Amino acid sequence: NAGVMQNPRHLVRRRGQEARLRCSPMKGHSHVYWYRQLPEEGLKFMVYLQKENIIDESGMPKERFSAEFPKEGPSILRIQQVVRGDSAAYFCASSRPRLAGDYNEQFFGPGTRLTVL
Amino acid sequence: GEDVEQSLFLSVREGDSSVINCTYTDSSSTYLYWYKQEPGAGLQLLTYIFSNMDMKQDQRLTVLLNKKDKHLSLRIADTQTGDSAIYFCAENRASGGSYIPTFGRGTSLIVHP
Repeated sequence: NAGVMQNPRHLVRRRGQEARLRCSPMKGHSHVYWYRQLPEEGLKFMVYLQKENIIDESGMPKERFSAEFPKEGPSILRIQQVVRGDSAAYFCASSRPRLAGDYNEQFFGPGTRLTVL
Repeated sequence: GEDVEQSLFLSVREGDSSVINCTYTDSSSTYLYWYKQEPGAGLQLLTYIFSNMDMKQDQRLTVLLNKKDKHLSLRIADTQTGDSAIYFCAENRASGGSYIPTFGRGTSLIVHP
């Protein structure tokens, strides 16, 4: 059973370009979460999606960032007009729907390391 | 201030016990978690504790929870070099049928021979 897949693993962009990060959840998982890890910091929640729906985007920057999880295909985190401050590791996680009494484990991908020149 | 705080570094000798401490702020967290991150990898859930428990033991791992002080600790017995990693404490909040963890900045555990 393959784990959470993210690609690319490393992405280099120049200021002003667009970055597209992909995440394929584990088989059977319909919930996807995106996190950002800045250097020397913990992971910060960005957005939580279920198929075709954004459930919680309280951690998403108001501008330039968007996320989707279509009916078919991977979840995409899109960053438009990247700036140097966007350089970070972006992690995706997936989970099953939570059942009563379930601790709701999230399984993390290996991350995409974005470098903005 | 940060919602979840933990010390940044811990250095121990192989075979000793390691204790990583954490304080959190959200008293409504249903679960509290410890995640492990090895270099270049994503996070992996190490263990968790339900908020109505005060201790959980799982092989070499012991989690202690003091709800009154909002203090969580992870003890690793007989620490090995393979335990060297960053350990993240996390509280959670409910959101749309799931739980969203809020992570601390992580404690780098260095195990030396």
